[in-house]
Amino acid sequence: DAKTTQPPSMDCAEGRAANLPCNHSTISGNEYVYWYRQIHSQGPQYIIHGLKNNETNEMASLIITEDRKSSTLILPHATLRDTAVYYCIVRVGGDYKLSFGAGTTVTVRA
Amino acid sequence: EPEVTQTPSHQVTQMGQEVILRCVPISNHLYFYWYRQILGQKVEFLVSFYNNEISEKSEIFDDQFSVERPDGSNFTLKIRSTKLEDSAMYFCASRETSGGYNEQFFGPGTRLTVL
Repeated sequence: DAKTTQPPSMDCAEGRAANLPCNHSTISGNEYVYWYRQIHSQGPQYIIHGLKNNETNEMASLIITEDRKSSTLILPHATLRDTAVYYCIVRVGGDYKLSFGAGTTVTVRA
Repeated sequence: EPEVTQTPSHQVTQMGQEVILRCVPISNHLYFYWYRQILGQKVEFLVSFYNNEISEKSEIFDDQFSVERPDGSNFTLKIRSTKLEDSAMYFCASRETSGGYNEQFFGPGTRLTVL
């Protein structure tokens, strides 16, 4: 699996966009970028994934650089309920385990 | 919206006892997983299960652990003789299809406390 690097923590003001970076410089051509989050010891929750194009869904946007060596998860209007640990995971598709790192602890402040 | 459910939410047991953690995956899902998270540590993969057999397991998943899909809905994790270090949150996850991206849906977890 490609290794990912994320900042350990970041703060964000409620209502503002939260931009979460992830470096994955050793990513292979067939590896996807997945984002999950875990709210206070609950089960991890899938957010979004992408291969090389930018993606958007109802939760977030994912911007992947052209060389695919880094990506940014954007929470467009952060709320207090978005306070969580966010995990960037790089993996091929298919039936494979998810390998969670330490992630980024995001604290949204009022 | 369909979701993965797990029971019990909290299980307390004595060291050496057997425990069974239960999961009901999303009904049309075919791939099933168990993960665990020791307090303050990372989420760790234990085992994946497809077509009534284990497809991958980690080093943590030793002979004390077993998984079963006894009927069309439940997916269980059994720990035969619990140790203090088995205390953790255990998460079940399921996935719909093969190929494509790897979106796994996680349950809320079972907190296992071994005394």
